[in-house]
Amino acid sequence: AQSVTQLDSHVSVSEGTPVLLRCNYSSSYSPSLFWYVQHPNKGLQLLLKYTSAATLVKGINGFEAEFKKSETSFHLTKPSAHMSDAAEYFCVVSDGGSQGNLIFGKGTKLSVKP
Amino acid sequence: DGGITQSPKYLFRKEGQNVTLSCEQNLNHDAMYWYRQDPGQGLRLIYYSQIVNDFQKGDIAEGYSVSREKKESFPLTVTSAQKNPTAFYLCASGVGRHNQPQHFGDGTRLSIL
Repeated sequence: AQSVTQLDSHVSVSEGTPVLLRCNYSSSYSPSLFWYVQHPNKGLQLLLKYTSAATLVKGINGFEAEFKKSETSFHLTKPSAHMSDAAEYFCVVSDGGSQGNLIFGKGTKLSVKP
Repeated sequence: DGGITQSPKYLFRKEGQNVTLSCEQNLNHDAMYWYRQDPGQGLRLIYYSQIVNDFQKGDIAEGYSVSREKKESFPLTVTSAQKNPTAFYLCASGVGRHNQPQHFGDGTRLSIL
C-alpha cells in the first residue's frame, strides 16, 4: 500500500534563508508524487509534480523537489524564503489505482520570520 | 476562468439537521472528490465520482451522502448521522488518472450551533 510521511509538523525559517520540507513515501510501484500548498482558509494549490520523468522537479514560486528512489524521499526546497511562503505544505502520493485517488501527508506548517 | 466553486464558505448546522455543501467545476473534468480536513490530520477522502451517476465511498463516508447528476456538480450532504461534522470540507476535480493532479476549491467551513 502507498503511504507518505512528512517528517516535520512545523518548520520555522528566517526570511531569505533556505527552506527544506521533508517527505518520505512508501510505494510498491513507481509513484506519482505531488507537493501542494495551502494558505489559511483556502484550497490547495499545486506546487509541483513528479511523474517518472526528470528526478529534479521545478515548481512555482521558486520551489523544487528531488525524487530519490534509493531514499524513498521527495523533499521540497527553496533557496530563499519569502514572507508570502508562510503556509501549510502537503506531500501527496497517488494510490496507484486507475482512478487518480491521492494519499495526503499530515502537512508541514512553514513559518517565516522577518 | 476555469475553476472549482464551493459554496457557502461558512455553514452552521443545528443538531439533527442535514446540510448540503455545493461544488461546481467548469474544468470539464470527469472525476470529482470530497475531502474532510481536520487540524493536523491532512485530508481524508469522503466520496469520489469518476463519471456522472456513479460514485464510490472513500475512507470516511459514514454520515455523508453525495450525488452526481451532472458532470459539473458534486454536492455533499452532511447528515445528522455524522456526529462530529465540524471541519473544513474541500472539493476537488481531476481527469482521474494516477499521474495527474487534482484541482481544489476554496473550501467550506462547517460548524455546529
